[in-house]
Amino acid sequence: DVVLTQSPLTLPVTLGQPASISCRSSQSLVYSDGDTYLYWYQQRPGQSPRRLIYKVSNRDSGVPDRFSGSGSGTDFTLKISRVEAEDVGVYYCMQGTHWPPWTFGQGTKVEIK
Amino acid sequence: EVQLVESGGGLVQPGGSLRLSCAASGFTFTSLWMHWVRQAPGEGLVWISQINIDGSRTNYADSVKGRFTISRDNAKNTLYLQMNSLRAEDTAVYYCTNSFDRWGQGTLVTVSS
Repeated sequence: DVVLTQSPLTLPVTLGQPASISCRSSQSLVYSDGDTYLYWYQQRPGQSPRRLIYKVSNRDSGVPDRFSGSGSGTDFTLKISRVEAEDVGVYYCMQGTHWPPWTFGQGTKVEIK
Repeated sequence: EVQLVESGGGLVQPGGSLRLSCAASGFTFTSLWMHWVRQAPGEGLVWISQINIDGSRTNYADSVKGRFTISRDNAKNTLYLQMNSLRAEDTAVYYCTNSFDRWGQGTLVTVSS
């Protein structure tokens, strides 16, 4: 099974400052079709997960442009250019290249300092 | 608007059974694989089952294989999860998701005597 390792697990940030979350995969997430099926999700307190980014770097509809995804192969990053209070929550990466199973990272909790 | 509404959760004794339902609307249900993902209290997201568009192929996490059965009724736009031989470690919020795009609000399953 593919293991996704996120870091840090907790990320205290100052409002208006940038934040960055790393997701490393135990194997390359490039699929045979050339695409890389790495996704990022936000889960606000008490809410369901919401997809932010699909296939590494594509923002979902309605997602603020302060969120961006990058990376390739086994190393991926989610960046928030300027953290806002509504960004508090847990962020998960997920892979859909090597399945089953589909696997998630452990989650990174973003909190305000 | 895409909507996924889970139901059927509740308190059940160890060894008991429950059937979860997920009513889908706002998208072409028959064109997407569907999944169940669960989240134990205070824990991360864990994929547990997937079904293809016509229900002919399914996949399960090892932790539920042989105990849980996923199915779908395309005429009713509804996804199901039959859960048998429930254990304390199955206690979680269960989410349905349409190919990991949108997620329902979840339904809580508590296995306890």
